[in-house]
Amino acid sequence: DAKTTQPNSMESNEEEPVHLPCNHSTISGTDYIHWYRQLPSQGPEYVIHGLTSNVNNRMASLAIAEDRKSSTLILHRATLRDAAVYYCILRDAAGSGNTPLVFGKGTRLSVIA
Amino acid sequence: EAGVVQSPRYKIIEKKQPVAFWCNPISGHNTLYWYLQNLGQGPELLIRYENEEAVDDSQLPKDRFSAERLKGVDSTLKIQPAELGDSAVYLCASSFRDRHYNEQFFGPGTRLTVL
Repeated sequence: DAKTTQPNSMESNEEEPVHLPCNHSTISGTDYIHWYRQLPSQGPEYVIHGLTSNVNNRMASLAIAEDRKSSTLILHRATLRDAAVYYCILRDAAGSGNTPLVFGKGTRLSVIA
Repeated sequence: EAGVVQSPRYKIIEKKQPVAFWCNPISGHNTLYWYLQNLGQGPELLIRYENEEAVDDSQLPKDRFSAERLKGVDSTLKIQPAELGDSAVYLCASSFRDRHYNEQFFGPGTRLTVL
């Protein structure tokens, strides 16, 4: 799986938007971009994923650069509950849908009240 | 619907002792994963099962670690004997295999401390 690069940590004020960047300059044409997050003392949970087009769901939005070498996870209004480690992961869609996730260190997001 | 269940949540043992972790995946999920998470790091895959078959165990230290998934449902991960460096969180995850992308659902993990 191709490697991703994320900032070690970010800080946000409560109720403000948060943009979490991810660089993946060696992404291949069949790699999906996934985001998972891990709240304190919990296992990771799925946030969102996409291939080429921007994606929205109830948790977040995913903005993918036109050349797909970078992406941004957008939390529209951060809450204290969004404080977590956010992982950007590339996953080859060419194989089984159940290939393991390859995690990096992620970005630790702190939310200030 | 219940999520992935793991037990125990916490375990403290002395080195050289055996330890076992148990995982019950989400009902109907035929793929089960065990991940290891060291402090400050992301999870790393130890083993993946498709039903009862271990299809990817290349990262499992087989000299001391073993796993089984009898009947393709529950799974047990065992360490014997435990070493100080095994202190970590052991995460279980499950997903449903089909030809499309499938979200992985994680349990809360078992935090192991080896003294």
